[in-house]
Amino acid sequence: EPEVTQTPSHQVTQMGQEVILRCVPISNHLYFYWYRQILGQKVEFLVSFYNNEISEKSEIFDDQFSVERPDGSNFTLKIRSTKLEDSAMYFCASSSGTVNQPQHFGDGTRLSIL
Amino acid sequence: AQSVTQLGSHVSVSEGALVLLRCNYSSSVPPYLFWYVQYPNQGLQLLLKYTTGATLVKGINGFEAEFKKSETSFHLTKPSAHMSDAAEYFCAVKGRGNEKLTFGTGTRLTIIP
Repeated sequence: EPEVTQTPSHQVTQMGQEVILRCVPISNHLYFYWYRQILGQKVEFLVSFYNNEISEKSEIFDDQFSVERPDGSNFTLKIRSTKLEDSAMYFCASSSGTVNQPQHFGDGTRLSIL
Repeated sequence: AQSVTQLGSHVSVSEGALVLLRCNYSSSVPPYLFWYVQYPNQGLQLLLKYTTGATLVKGINGFEAEFKKSETSFHLTKPSAHMSDAAEYFCAVKGRGNEKLTFGTGTRLTIIP
């Protein structure tokens, strides 16, 4: 069964550095999402992306965050200048766009900011 | 706007016993409802979903959930717990478009041998 893949599985970065998290959504999917889960807390929505533009974003997704679909297969989340509070598990998800179809999640990237 | 409340952050049941994980939702539109499971150090795996039609939905691993509009509930059940069911379970809701999922705080299920 097709799946969403995320790399790296674990990223350790110094505070203030830029980080790029990568995702390969399921190939025929049209909608892409990023969520994060701070340790011990619930999964929170960051941003959704469709037709090469952001369709919705949360208040967490400030100017330090950006997303891009640089080619036909990858979907990236960039954090420009990381803060300690950015430490979390980041999940990528994709869906086909048919309204009753679910979002499929990757295994996540654990981001640790030192 | 949508929201989800999961009652009980931790639930323990004996192996072979009934599993009941509670989820109540709030939605301004008819919702789509989901249960996801997260095993340690893994991503979110879809257990089951309710969109339209039959209110009792069956998912993977013997789980099922019933959508009760009058109670705004979507509780997850399994008749007989197995050790492999130990995980964190998240209820989620979204509106009728391709919108974000709103998750509950999760319920950690422990199975007692």
